[in-house]
Amino acid sequence: GNSVTQMEGPVTLSEEAFLTINCTYTATGYPSLFWYVQYPGEGLQLLLKATKADDKGSNKGFEATYRKETTSFHLEKGSVQVSDSAVYFCALSESSGGYNKLIFGAGTRLAVHP
Amino acid sequence: EADIYQTPRYLVIGTGKKITLECSQTMGHDKMYWYQQDPGMELHLIHYSYGVNSTEKGDLSSESTVSRIRTEHFPLTLESARPSHTSQYLCASGDREKLFFGSGTQLSVL
Repeated sequence: GNSVTQMEGPVTLSEEAFLTINCTYTATGYPSLFWYVQYPGEGLQLLLKATKADDKGSNKGFEATYRKETTSFHLEKGSVQVSDSAVYFCALSESSGGYNKLIFGAGTRLAVHP
Repeated sequence: EADIYQTPRYLVIGTGKKITLECSQTMGHDKMYWYQQDPGMELHLIHYSYGVNSTEKGDLSSESTVSRIRTEHFPLTLESARPSHTSQYLCASGDREKLFFGSGTQLSVL
């Protein structure tokens, strides 16, 4: 079945460092891909998405490019801030029997220190 | 700003009690979901609904049940809570592929 694999955390960075969180997927067909973020004590929020190969999603300085050849959707940010500390989830959409739902990775915790 | 609400935010109860976790959304979404989030943060889909009177079990087997009598309301019920049910429960609703999540209910069963 479809699945998403993320790099294990926690990822600990100093403020203004470059961030990469790796995400690869296994899927039949061409799913849409997403990054969600969960801040402490809150639910998940959509951070960015890409719906087809070579699409780049971007939001709040974060970017991710849909790479079909490597089945990857790595999240990057050029300069992280303390306020970016959160758990980041990679996800893909799965369609089955006329229904669609999201399959999430295990999440990667990011801690940014001043 | 997402308009999806979960209550209670925290719940501590004893074994054997019946509980209902509430989830409501004001966005008119047909699709609603319940995820269970384990301490390692991984999310597991336990129930979903694509409209009134439609409910399906998710990928992770769960002893909980759900109902969808009104579009905006998707409660989850445990008839007899056990310590193994201790977890974070997240409700979500969606329009096409975008999901909006509630803040979750942290359930602890003693």
